[in-house]
Amino acid sequence: KNEVEQSPQNLTAQEGEFITINCSYSVGISALHWLQQHPGGGIVSLFMLSSGKKKHGRLIATINIQEKHSSLHITASHPRDSAVYICAVRVPSGGGADGLTFGKGTHLIIQP
Amino acid sequence: NAGVMQNPRHLVRRRGQEARLRCSPMKGHSHVYWYRQLPEEGLKFMVYLQKENIIDESGMPKERFSAEFPKEGPSILRIQQVVRGDSAAYFCASSRTAGELFFGEGSRLTVL
Repeated sequence: KNEVEQSPQNLTAQEGEFITINCSYSVGISALHWLQQHPGGGIVSLFMLSSGKKKHGRLIATINIQEKHSSLHITASHPRDSAVYICAVRVPSGGGADGLTFGKGTHLIIQP
Repeated sequence: NAGVMQNPRHLVRRRGQEARLRCSPMKGHSHVYWYRQLPEEGLKFMVYLQKENIIDESGMPKERFSAEFPKEGPSILRIQQVVRGDSAAYFCASSRTAGELFFGEGSRLTVL
């Protein structure tokens, strides 16, 4: 059974700080998603990646397939980045036909 | 190009009533997924549909829950005889192929 572990569970930081959120999984995957969920809001897909690194604005996502680990970085963090960040991995089988298994999320608060 | 549209955003039902949640996928997307997010828990896959077909419903409770995605109109998740434990946020996502997912804002069901 694939397990997706995120750390930290909760993170509070000051505006401007560099943020790192980690995701580890236990089985081979075909892709990994990073999602953002604001309180009471919907879910936004930030990245889908299967290797290497992707960058979008102040967000950077990396993945190391051999180590079964991914990180989401936020540079120059801002209070509007406060949200829950969810890691989801796509496996070739299991987790439903879409093969997605989700982490429980990292609650990020950026204080002004 | 409107995103994934879900309605209602909030729904209150008494125990024993029926809940119907609707999801209109993004234009051109024929793959629809339903996920449930229980309070303080992560997202869990429920069902995966393509037009007029249920592809995988392995995450759906065997009783009281059903889903459809007709040729015309939105996908519908139907919960009959709701119980308090059904209170959750229900998210719909769509994709063009088994690739990047686009999520809706969610429907929050409260069972009194």
